[in-house]
Amino acid sequence: DTAVSQTPKYLVTQMGNDKSIKCEQNLGHDTMYWYKQDSKKFLKIMFSYNNKELIINETVPNRFSPKSPDKAHLNLHINSLELGDSAVYFCASSLQGGEEKLFFGSGTQLSVL
Amino acid sequence: SQQGEEDPQALSIQEGENATMNCSYKTSINNLQWYRQNSGRGLVHLILIRSNEREKHSGRLRVTLDTSKKSSSLLITASRAADTASYFCATDWGDMRFGAGTRLTVKP
Repeated sequence: DTAVSQTPKYLVTQMGNDKSIKCEQNLGHDTMYWYKQDSKKFLKIMFSYNNKELIINETVPNRFSPKSPDKAHLNLHINSLELGDSAVYFCASSLQGGEEKLFFGSGTQLSVL
Repeated sequence: SQQGEEDPQALSIQEGENATMNCSYKTSINNLQWYRQNSGRGLVHLILIRSNEREKHSGRLRVTLDTSKKSSSLLITASRAADTASYFCATDWGDMRFGAGTRLTVKP
């Protein structure tokens, strides 16, 4: 069983479209995250949710909206996609957040044309 | 903002050699972690070292931490082609913060 799974693995779309990426973890963790990895491989945290509540919201355009229906799921919805949104998006989870080790999904490669 | 910064950005060695990667960070920490990322995959946790520890081992991995210099190093001994990956350090400032990684290539 995959611990942290995210779908889709690849997402190719046009500028201006709205898209969602889904993430699920079966580890029983309380905290989930979204990270963005740019073309230079720099990995930056976007959001952190603890037990369905938003804990961290970095300087991310409000076109990005995370949604956590329950503590096992954290989805990322992106409105009005822009070229600069092209990146690999990773979902991750940890037991309680903070200094715990992270378990990552395999990533979603988003290409905005 | 970014916390861990890895050095060098890229490293190429022959199989059997040792590989050393460094990480510097800016603020005080509770722990520092190292992760590996194979091409096209998510990050995998390798090792965690706490701020009151100076050295830690796990198999062929050795991690050191110098809190006075705000730096850590990851040593991979007797490297293998399968060690080819990017290696990231992350610190617990707020939540885990990563750098851009060191891309290690181990040639057979």
